Amino acid sequence: EAQVTQNPRYLITVTGKKLTVTCSQNMNHEYMSWYRQDPGLGLRQIYYSMNVEVTDKGDVPEGYKVSRKEKRNFPLILESPSPNQTSLYFCASSLSIRPAETQYFGPGTRLLVL
Amino acid sequence: RKEVEQDPGPFNVPEGATVAFNCTYSNSASQSFFWYRQDCRKEPKLLMSVYSSGNEDGRFTAQLNRASQYISLLIRDSKLSDSATYLCVVIDRSGAGSYQLTFGKGTKLSVIP
Repeated sequence: EAQVTQNPRYLITVTGKKLTVTCSQNMNHEYMSWYRQDPGLGLRQIYYSMNVEVTDKGDVPEGYKVSRKEKRNFPLILESPSPNQTSLYFCASSLSIRPAETQYFGPGTRLLVL
Repeated sequence: RKEVEQDPGPFNVPEGATVAFNCTYSNSASQSFFWYRQDCRKEPKLLMSVYSSGNEDGRFTAQLNRASQYISLLIRDSKLSDSATYLCVVIDRSGAGSYQLTFGKGTKLSVIP
């Protein structure tokens, strides 16, 4: 089944404790991205990757890192999480970033930083 | 900064009603437009693309007005299952071979029995 998977789905952590949220897609998509969704603010892009070893900042990259060593995986790293990073996170992928391509989203990761 | 604006709602409509949402965008050179649907904090899923000539998929009709820089979504004969948040998405060119997606904040629809 074609899908985007994220792990963990739910995470409670404490300020400053490094964490990684994994994202994997099995559709051989070139383009992958991370979003956070907050009430009243909608979906905001954190980072995106056009292809392996090519990553770039989105609208809200501060406090996050990403890597794209393999085509299928695009982990999101919070080196020192803070409470303002409490949010719902979505990973998404598409075949490419040509304008007509559909974005496929993972199921989301709910993060609470205490 | 490119802006995509939607009326947040909520739109509360009875079953069978026709409801329309608009989404305005700030960049006159925007390339592509989509409507996504998001159920209760689940992941967004593509509802339909929006073509210049307008397009229809069953009870759903999407239109683009480039002169006034807005897209619209019309839902006819609303069903309870249409209750969701509807997100508009605008894609802009951001450099050579690169594009940027901007999501609206969504319009919440509640269809009432």
